[in-house]
Amino acid sequence: QQQVKQSPQSLIVQKGGISIINCAYENTAFDYFPWYQQFPGKGPALLIAIRPDVSEKKEGRFTISFNKSAKQFSLHIMDSQPGDSATYFCAASSSGGSNYKLTFGKGTLLTVNP
Amino acid sequence: GAVVSQHPSWVICKSGTSVKIECRSLDFQATTMFWYRQFPKQSLMLMATSNEGSKATYEQGVEKDKFLINHASLTLSTLTVTSAHPEDSSFYICSVVVSGQPQHFGDGTRLSIL
Repeated sequence: QQQVKQSPQSLIVQKGGISIINCAYENTAFDYFPWYQQFPGKGPALLIAIRPDVSEKKEGRFTISFNKSAKQFSLHIMDSQPGDSATYFCAASSSGGSNYKLTFGKGTLLTVNP
Repeated sequence: GAVVSQHPSWVICKSGTSVKIECRSLDFQATTMFWYRQFPKQSLMLMATSNEGSKATYEQGVEKDKFLINHASLTLSTLTVTSAHPEDSSFYICSVVVSGQPQHFGDGTRLSIL
Protein backbone atom coordinates (compact mmCIF):
# COMPACT_ATOMS: atom_id res chain seq x y z
CA GLN A 1 0.00 0.00 0.00
CA GLN A 2 1.52 3.25 -1.16
CA GLN A 3 0.86 5.81 1.52
CA VAL A 4 2.34 8.81 -0.30
CA LYS A 5 1.52 9.25 -3.98
CA GLN A 6 3.73 11.60 -5.97
CA SER A 7 3.24 13.06 -9.44
CA PRO A 8 4.41 13.61 -12.07
CA GLN A 9 7.03 10.92 -12.46
CA SER A 10 9.11 13.27 -14.60
CA LEU A 11 8.96 16.94 -15.45
CA ILE A 12 10.71 19.13 -18.01
CA VAL A 13 10.73 22.89 -17.46
CA GLN A 14 12.42 25.75 -19.21
CA LYS A 15 14.86 27.92 -17.32
CA GLY A 16 12.97 30.62 -15.45
CA GLY A 17 9.75 28.63 -15.36
CA ILE A 18 7.82 27.24 -12.41
CA SER A 19 8.19 23.57 -11.48
CA ILE A 20 5.27 22.02 -9.60
CA ILE A 21 5.32 18.60 -7.99
CA ASN A 22 2.33 17.18 -6.17
CA CYS A 23 1.90 14.64 -3.40
CA ALA A 24 -1.09 13.09 -1.71
CA TYR A 25 -1.16 11.06 1.47
CA GLU A 26 -3.61 8.69 3.08
CA ASN A 27 -2.54 8.41 6.71
CA THR A 28 -4.18 11.19 8.72
CA ALA A 29 -1.63 10.64 11.49
CA PHE A 30 1.09 12.16 9.33
CA ASP A 31 2.10 15.54 10.69
CA TYR A 32 5.46 16.31 9.11
CA PHE A 33 5.95 16.70 5.37
CA PRO A 34 9.48 17.25 4.04
CA TRP A 35 10.75 17.51 0.50
CA TYR A 36 14.13 16.07 -0.43
CA GLN A 37 16.38 16.79 -3.39
CA GLN A 38 18.67 14.06 -4.66
CA PHE A 39 21.42 14.35 -7.23
CA PRO A 40 22.78 11.22 -8.98
CA GLY A 41 25.09 9.22 -6.74
CA LYS A 42 24.27 11.27 -3.66
CA GLY A 43 22.00 10.89 -0.69
CA PRO A 44 18.83 12.96 -0.36
CA ALA A 45 19.15 16.45 1.07
CA LEU A 46 16.35 18.21 2.91
CA LEU A 47 14.96 21.08 0.86
CA ILE A 48 12.02 22.36 2.84
CA ALA A 49 9.43 20.93 5.23
CA ILE A 50 6.01 21.84 6.56
CA ARG A 51 3.71 20.88 9.41
CA PRO A 52 -0.11 20.87 9.12
CA ASP A 53 -0.62 23.99 11.20
CA VAL A 54 0.29 26.21 8.23
CA SER A 55 -0.95 26.17 4.64
CA GLU A 56 2.18 27.49 3.00
CA LYS A 57 5.88 27.81 3.67
CA LYS A 58 8.38 29.63 1.53
CA GLU A 59 12.15 29.45 1.57
CA GLY A 60 13.81 31.35 -1.24
CA ARG A 61 12.60 29.98 -4.57
CA PHE A 62 10.98 26.95 -2.93
CA THR A 63 7.42 26.94 -1.60
CA ILE A 64 5.33 24.18 -0.07
CA SER A 65 1.56 24.48 -0.30
CA PHE A 66 -0.40 22.28 2.06
CA ASN A 67 -4.09 21.34 1.93
CA LYS A 68 -4.99 19.40 5.05
CA SER A 69 -8.61 18.67 4.10
CA ALA A 70 -7.57 17.27 0.73
CA LYS A 71 -4.54 15.52 2.23
CA GLN A 72 -2.34 17.00 -0.45
CA PHE A 73 0.84 19.04 -0.54
CA SER A 74 2.95 20.39 -3.34
CA LEU A 75 6.37 21.83 -4.05
CA HIS A 76 6.73 24.90 -6.23
CA ILE A 77 10.12 25.91 -7.56
CA MET A 78 10.05 29.45 -8.88
CA ASP A 79 12.51 30.70 -11.49
CA SER A 80 13.72 27.15 -12.09
CA GLN A 81 17.41 26.83 -12.96
CA PRO A 82 19.41 24.09 -14.71
CA GLY A 83 21.12 23.46 -11.35
CA ASP A 84 17.73 22.44 -9.95
CA SER A 85 17.75 19.40 -12.24
CA ALA A 86 17.52 16.49 -9.81
CA THR A 87 15.11 13.95 -8.41
CA TYR A 88 12.69 15.30 -5.83
CA PHE A 89 11.01 13.18 -3.21
CA CYS A 90 8.14 14.13 -0.98
CA ALA A 91 7.83 12.32 2.33
CA ALA A 92 5.65 12.15 5.39
CA SER A 93 6.00 11.04 8.96
CA SER A 94 4.10 10.92 12.19
CA SER A 95 5.76 12.44 15.20
CA GLY A 96 3.93 9.93 17.30
CA GLY A 97 5.51 7.11 15.35
CA SER A 98 8.91 5.47 15.50
CA ASN A 99 11.46 8.24 15.71
CA TYR A 100 10.66 10.24 12.59
CA LYS A 101 10.24 7.21 10.32
CA LEU A 102 9.66 8.61 6.84
CA THR A 103 7.39 7.31 4.10
CA PHE A 104 8.65 8.48 0.70
CA GLY A 105 6.86 9.17 -2.54
CA LYS A 106 8.21 7.54 -5.69
CA GLY A 107 10.08 10.62 -6.81
CA THR A 108 9.98 13.14 -9.65
CA LEU A 109 12.85 13.57 -12.06
CA LEU A 110 13.05 17.28 -12.84
CA THR A 111 14.95 18.51 -15.86
CA VAL A 112 15.39 22.24 -16.32
CA ASN A 113 16.48 23.15 -19.82
CA PRO A 114 18.75 26.16 -20.31
CA GLY B 1 29.74 20.46 6.37
CA ALA B 2 28.64 16.85 6.23
CA VAL B 3 26.70 15.59 9.20
CA VAL B 4 26.72 11.95 8.20
CA SER B 5 29.62 10.04 6.69
CA GLN B 6 29.16 6.77 4.87
CA HIS B 7 31.97 4.43 3.93
CA PRO B 8 32.77 3.07 1.45
CA SER B 9 31.09 5.13 -1.23
CA TRP B 10 31.39 2.35 -3.77
CA VAL B 11 32.25 -1.31 -3.47
CA ILE B 12 32.48 -4.12 -5.99
CA CYS B 13 32.80 -7.69 -4.81
CA LYS B 14 32.25 -11.25 -5.87
CA SER B 15 29.07 -13.14 -5.23
CA GLY B 16 29.09 -14.96 -1.91
CA THR B 17 31.23 -12.48 -0.03
CA SER B 18 30.10 -10.30 2.87
CA VAL B 19 30.29 -6.53 2.71
CA LYS B 20 30.26 -4.09 5.61
CA ILE B 21 29.03 -0.51 5.23
CA GLU B 22 29.67 2.10 7.91
CA CYS B 23 27.51 5.06 8.80
CA ARG B 24 28.98 7.69 11.11
CA SER B 25 27.29 10.64 12.71
CA LEU B 26 29.93 13.36 12.69
CA ASP B 27 28.39 16.14 14.75
CA PHE B 28 25.72 14.48 16.84
CA GLN B 29 25.16 11.54 19.07
CA ALA B 30 22.48 9.47 17.40
CA THR B 31 20.49 6.88 19.29
CA THR B 32 18.63 6.10 16.09
CA MET B 33 19.84 5.60 12.54
CA PHE B 34 17.90 4.33 9.57
CA TRP B 35 19.10 2.15 6.71
CA TYR B 36 17.54 2.48 3.27
CA ARG B 37 17.98 0.74 -0.05
CA GLN B 38 17.40 2.45 -3.36
CA PHE B 39 17.29 0.70 -6.73
CA PRO B 40 17.97 2.72 -9.90
CA LYS B 41 15.29 5.29 -10.65
CA GLN B 42 13.26 4.21 -7.64
CA SER B 43 12.44 5.65 -4.26
CA LEU B 44 14.11 4.97 -0.94
CA MET B 45 12.86 1.89 0.81
CA LEU B 46 13.38 1.65 4.55
CA MET B 47 15.16 -1.55 5.49
CA ALA B 48 15.62 -1.22 9.22
CA THR B 49 15.84 1.06 12.20
CA SER B 50 19.14 0.88 14.04
CA ASN B 51 18.96 1.57 17.76
CA GLU B 52 22.07 2.16 19.84
CA GLY B 53 22.64 -0.62 22.33
CA SER B 54 19.75 -2.78 21.20
CA LYS B 55 18.63 -4.96 18.32
CA ALA B 56 17.64 -3.36 15.05
CA THR B 57 14.03 -3.31 13.96
CA TYR B 58 13.57 -4.66 10.44
CA GLU B 59 10.84 -3.76 7.99
CA GLN B 60 8.58 -6.46 6.66
CA GLY B 61 10.26 -8.52 3.98
CA VAL B 62 13.83 -7.63 4.97
CA GLU B 63 15.88 -10.63 6.07
CA LYS B 64 17.57 -9.83 9.35
CA ASP B 65 20.06 -12.66 8.94
CA LYS B 66 21.05 -11.34 5.52
CA PHE B 67 21.38 -7.69 6.50
CA LEU B 68 23.15 -7.53 9.86
CA ILE B 69 23.00 -4.21 11.65
CA ASN B 70 25.19 -3.21 14.56
CA HIS B 71 24.84 0.10 16.39
CA ALA B 72 27.49 -0.22 19.04
CA SER B 73 28.04 3.47 19.71
CA LEU B 74 26.16 6.74 19.46
CA THR B 75 28.11 7.71 16.37
CA LEU B 76 28.46 4.49 14.38
CA SER B 77 26.09 2.01 12.82
CA THR B 78 27.17 -0.72 10.43
CA LEU B 79 25.23 -2.72 7.85
CA THR B 80 26.72 -6.03 6.77
CA VAL B 81 25.32 -7.68 3.67
CA THR B 82 26.11 -11.35 4.21
CA SER B 83 26.72 -13.78 1.37
CA ALA B 84 25.90 -11.07 -1.13
CA HIS B 85 24.42 -11.96 -4.52
CA PRO B 86 23.86 -9.90 -7.67
CA GLU B 87 20.27 -9.12 -6.64
CA ASP B 88 21.68 -7.35 -3.57
CA SER B 89 23.35 -4.81 -5.84
CA SER B 90 21.84 -1.46 -4.93
CA PHE B 91 22.45 1.96 -3.41
CA TYR B 92 22.43 1.76 0.38
CA ILE B 93 21.82 4.96 2.32
CA CYS B 94 21.82 5.64 6.03
CA SER B 95 20.27 8.51 7.91
CA VAL B 96 20.75 9.91 11.37
CA VAL B 97 18.00 11.08 13.68
CA VAL B 98 18.73 13.89 16.09
CA SER B 99 15.99 14.94 18.44
CA GLY B 100 14.07 17.91 17.13
CA GLN B 101 15.74 17.85 13.73
CA PRO B 102 14.88 16.26 10.40
CA GLN B 103 16.79 13.20 9.25
CA HIS B 104 20.28 13.78 7.91
CA PHE B 105 21.22 11.40 5.11
CA GLY B 106 24.60 10.05 4.17
CA ASP B 107 25.84 10.11 0.58
CA GLY B 108 25.17 6.42 0.13
CA THR B 109 27.16 3.33 -0.77
CA ARG B 110 26.87 1.85 -4.21
CA LEU B 111 27.18 -1.93 -3.92
CA SER B 112 27.86 -3.98 -7.03
CA ILE B 113 27.96 -7.76 -6.74
CA LEU B 114 29.53 -9.60 -9.64
